[in-house]
Amino acid sequence: SQQGEEDPQALSIQEGENATMNCSYKTSINNLQWYRQNSGRGLVHLILIRSNEREKHSGRLRVTLDTSKKSSSLLITASRAADTASYFCATDPYPSGSRLTFGEGTQLTVNP
Amino acid sequence: GAVVSQHPSWVICKSGTSVKIECRSLDFQATTMFWYRQFPKQSLMLMATSNEGSKATYEQGVEKDKFLINHASLTLSTLTVTSAHPEDSSFYICSARSVGRVAGELFFGEGSRLTVL
Repeated sequence: SQQGEEDPQALSIQEGENATMNCSYKTSINNLQWYRQNSGRGLVHLILIRSNEREKHSGRLRVTLDTSKKSSSLLITASRAADTASYFCATDPYPSGSRLTFGEGTQLTVNP
Repeated sequence: GAVVSQHPSWVICKSGTSVKIECRSLDFQATTMFWYRQFPKQSLMLMATSNEGSKATYEQGVEKDKFLINHASLTLSTLTVTSAHPEDSSFYICSARSVGRVAGELFFGEGSRLTVL
């Protein structure tokens, strides 16, 4: 069953602004991952954060993980129009080796 | 990065026919591949886990006789939608995890859009 819930469902911002998306989950995890999907395309892996990590950076992306609250956030700084896409969190439940469960996704629109 | 190729990218078929979708890992071996279904503006729903050399594991509510999965080699898994009906119209996406990686990122195909008339 889907266990990730994301908010907001949709986010519209201006180019240059920061975008923050949140994800909550219900069970223990081995890691949490964020993916991006352009309309009608496959998913692209953005970043993975392990359960013993609290924050991770990759370029303009910053991910935080709070296992006590079972939540994660994805921050995209200095957004660009090309960042327009759907963003999904996915949990890799503990014990490892199980299949990823995806959240409902956030549709981000960055207006030029 | 690792590449997963999915074919065909789109297919239109008549109701009652069967459609086969292929998922190939091009530059790595994958003992496990996953098949997802995605409706417009919705998340991915895991249909089944495809295991090389053994039977697929289907999620609850997914008919195994309707969605046949064959993982014949370490680089190829196929999903066959049998006797397709209009309600089977959807976006089907496969993903693969590299051999030796118990946990970690998945590599996704570009998806196959099935339209059943």
